[in-house]
Amino acid sequence: DAGITQSPRYKITETGRQVTLMCHQTWSHSYMFWYRQDLGHGLRLIYYSAAADITDKGEVPDGYVVSRSKTENFPLTLESATRSQTSVYFCASSRSGNSNQPQHFGDGTRLSIL
Amino acid sequence: GENVEQHPSTLSVQEGDSAVIKCTYSDSASNYFPWYKQELGKRPQLIIDIRSNVGEKKDQRIAVTLNKTAKHFSLHITETQPEDSAVYFCAASKGAGKSTFGDGTTLTVKP
Repeated sequence: DAGITQSPRYKITETGRQVTLMCHQTWSHSYMFWYRQDLGHGLRLIYYSAAADITDKGEVPDGYVVSRSKTENFPLTLESATRSQTSVYFCASSRSGNSNQPQHFGDGTRLSIL
Repeated sequence: GENVEQHPSTLSVQEGDSAVIKCTYSDSASNYFPWYKQELGKRPQLIIDIRSNVGEKKDQRIAVTLNKTAKHFSLHITETQPEDSAVYFCAASKGAGKSTFGDGTTLTVKP
C-alpha cells in the first residue's frame, strides 16, 4: 500500500545517539501505530495514536518518544539508542470508527545500533 | 491486558495439503480478529478478518473460524501452494483500533 511510507528504510547508528524514524500516511487515517519486530516476539506495540495530539503507550514504550502534531505524520524517536533497540520497526495506520478496522503497514525500517 | 497465543510456531506441509494455524485469546471483550501474512523482507498484509458476530468466513482457499466460548480462532488454508510460504500472524482487538498480535507461524509449503 503506497499510502503509508517509512523513512529511512535502513539505519545504522551508535549507542547513545538520538535517532528518529519517520512515518507518513496519505489516507487521513485517525489511528497510527509503531511496532517493533524481533525474532520470537512477533509484533510488539511501542506507541499508538488515536488522533493528532493524542498518543498512548503500548506494550514496550521504554526508551521511545512519539509525537503527532499532524494527522499524517507519526515520528518515533529513540532518545539515547541502546543495542537492545536493534530491530525492525513497522509503522501502521487504520481508520477510525466504532468497529475495528485492519491495519495497513509500511515497509519497515531496519535499525542497527552498534 | 489481552494475551494472544499462536500455534504452531512453524508448520511444514506438502503442496496441495491443508494448513491450520490456531490462536487463543484471553480477553472476552475482544471482538475483531484479523490475520496477516508477511513474506520474507516484506510488510505484514491483511489476508482475512472476522468479527465476533460471525462464526466463519471464507475467501477462496482461505477460511477463518471463531469460537467465542472457547476464545480461540483458526486460519485454514486449503490446496496450499509454494507462494503461501510466509509468516502468518493472528491478532485480537476490542476497540480503539489497537490489536494484540500472536508471535507468528512460519509456514513452509514444499513443492
